[in-house]
Amino acid sequence: DGGITQSPKYLFRKEGQNVTLSCEQNLNHDAMYWYRQDPGQGLRLIYYSQIVNDFQKGDIAEGYSVSREKKESFPLTVTSAQKNPTAFYLCASSIGLAKNIQYFGAGTRLSVL
Amino acid sequence: GESVGLHLPTLSVQEGDNSIINCAYSNSASDYFIWYKQESGKGPQFIIDIRSNMDKRQGQRVTVLLNKTVKHLSLQIAATQPGDSAVYFCAENKGAQKLVFGQGTRLTINP
Repeated sequence: DGGITQSPKYLFRKEGQNVTLSCEQNLNHDAMYWYRQDPGQGLRLIYYSQIVNDFQKGDIAEGYSVSREKKESFPLTVTSAQKNPTAFYLCASSIGLAKNIQYFGAGTRLSVL
Repeated sequence: GESVGLHLPTLSVQEGDNSIINCAYSNSASDYFIWYKQESGKGPQFIIDIRSNMDKRQGQRVTVLLNKTVKHLSLQIAATQPGDSAVYFCAENKGAQKLVFGQGTRLTINP
């Protein structure tokens, strides 16, 4: 059963804490992406990666960090520098940037305690 | 600059009627467009795509129309069902660059 798995489904962050959201795909896709979605709004790109060990900042990268050590995995860390982290976070993958149907995971909802 | 926008943020239709969701884009160099459906609390789901060398593409109960003259994209859903209730996003892609998503239209089905 191929797809994109995000975990956890719900996550709570304390003040000053870094938290890491997991994203794993078994679709053999080269490209992976992280988006942030606020209530009633569209998707904003945080980071994306075209290939292992390479990633690029998206439109709202400040306060976030990523790594791409394996093709299957693209974890997102929400750092304490992100002052308004409450949002729905979506991970996606695609064959490549040029062939760009992106397939999404089920999302992680992050809230601040 | 680049933008993908929607004419209406909400759309309400009767069950069984056809739905038409519209999207305007400003980047005439965009060569690829995608429609996604997002149900509450879930990730967006791919519906249908269309390349800029096409005017129309049909899927199962859905049709996408592309009018490059006025930079307009529409998604038509035939015989709308309760399960079609969701937010629909259009997205555009120019060459090898990232997708740009619109704000979304919420489709509500009245019984």
